[in-house]
Amino acid sequence: EAGVVQSPRYKIIEKKQPVAFWCNPISGHNTLYWYRQNLGQGPELLIRYENEEAVDDSQLPKDRFSAERLKGVDSTLKIQPAELGDSAVYLCASSPGIAGMSTDTQYFGPGTRLTVL
Amino acid sequence: AQSVTQPDIHITVSEGASLELRCNYSYGATPYLFWYVQSPGQGLQLLLKYFSGDTLVQGIKGFEAEFKRSQSSFNLRKPSVHWSDAAEYFCAVADLYGGATNKLIFGTGTLLAVQP
Repeated sequence: EAGVVQSPRYKIIEKKQPVAFWCNPISGHNTLYWYRQNLGQGPELLIRYENEEAVDDSQLPKDRFSAERLKGVDSTLKIQPAELGDSAVYLCASSPGIAGMSTDTQYFGPGTRLTVL
Repeated sequence: AQSVTQPDIHITVSEGASLELRCNYSYGATPYLFWYVQSPGQGLQLLLKYFSGDTLVQGIKGFEAEFKRSQSSFNLRKPSVHWSDAAEYFCAVADLYGGATNKLIFGTGTLLAVQP
């Protein structure tokens, strides 16, 4: 079974430029998560989708970040414009069930390491 | 608010020695607890999880963890460390409040180095 796929794996951009990350979750997984992991820190949730609906985006900086999950499968996370402080690893995860299934295991992709110069 | 504390930022052990990584949580109810491992350039891999029942949980790669409610702890152990265990280890608790079910709150991680 293929795991969570993310691309690109690495991205270097200059500040004020836009950037987008792509995630393909495990087949059949209804819930998809985007986390941001700053250097030396644990991941922090940015947004959670159940199918195509964003059900928790309270931690997403909406002035510059946007996300979508068309058809409830793949997802993209966009930053426009990027700032120096956005340098981090962006992790995508998926889990089989729907919210309330707190026992679901989240499966993580390898992440995209973003460097903003 | 829910939180996870991993007191040790960096630990070095010799290959073959035993290992214990500490994790303390703050949570108002019975917690759902996880340990993940992250190797360089890799995503997080689940080692084990605790939801209920037996407080000693067995995981993959020979790891185990013990839930101690009285100490608000969920420490990870391995009796004999292998060089391939060198990685960063994250403890996490599932946030079940505020409608944000299934959100994981992670600690800051413990970086494990293994000496030959």
